[in-house]
Amino acid sequence: AQSVSQHNHHVILSEAASLELGCNYSYGGTVNLFWYVQYPGQHLQLLLKYFSGDPLVKGIKGFEAEFIKSKFSFNLRKPSVQWSDTAEYFCAVGGFKTIFGAGTRLFVKA
Amino acid sequence: NAGVTQTPKFQVLKTGQSMTLQCAQDMNHEYMSWYRQDPGMGLRLIHYSVGAGITDQGEVPNGYNVSRSTTEDFPLRLLSAAPSQTSVYFCASSQGAYNEQFFGPGTRLTVL
Repeated sequence: AQSVSQHNHHVILSEAASLELGCNYSYGGTVNLFWYVQYPGQHLQLLLKYFSGDPLVKGIKGFEAEFIKSKFSFNLRKPSVQWSDTAEYFCAVGGFKTIFGAGTRLFVKA
Repeated sequence: NAGVTQTPKFQVLKTGQSMTLQCAQDMNHEYMSWYRQDPGMGLRLIHYSVGAGITDQGEVPNGYNVSRSTTEDFPLRLLSAAPSQTSVYFCASSQGAYNEQFFGPGTRLTVL
């Protein structure tokens, strides 16, 4: 069965710290991978996506993610977080039955 | 464009009551879906539709019905509400099942 695993449920960082959120997936076919973000009180919006090609993809607000096929991973990174990055982050494998991970709540201390 | 709209924003039901959550999109997207979001469990797919007249079950379809008579609308019906259906419900649409999804603002449902 398809699954998406996010390693950290809660992360607390200080401003300017680097961020890496882990995501591993289990899926038998061609994968379309996504990271979505949900800011407090807002609905989900796309952060970045990977369909094919360069495994290092860049998204909005300085986020990037690397697709490593051999590790079934799609980790999200940001070199220097800001207070405004406080949000919940979801990794997802797209398809007719899109599967989301459980989410990681990030809190950035000012 | 309004994008994906959902009504109501909040709803309180008693056990056994039925209701319909409305979802509409104005982007002419073929694919629409309903999710529920529960703490620590992420988003779980309830039902989805790949076009008008075509729907299918997701991970957690029990207790919910859907229909898709037009491209724009995709209502979710709770047949007989139970406390286990207390959740936040999100509707989403996309141009194709494998593309990025656009989400509505959500409906927070409490079943007493």
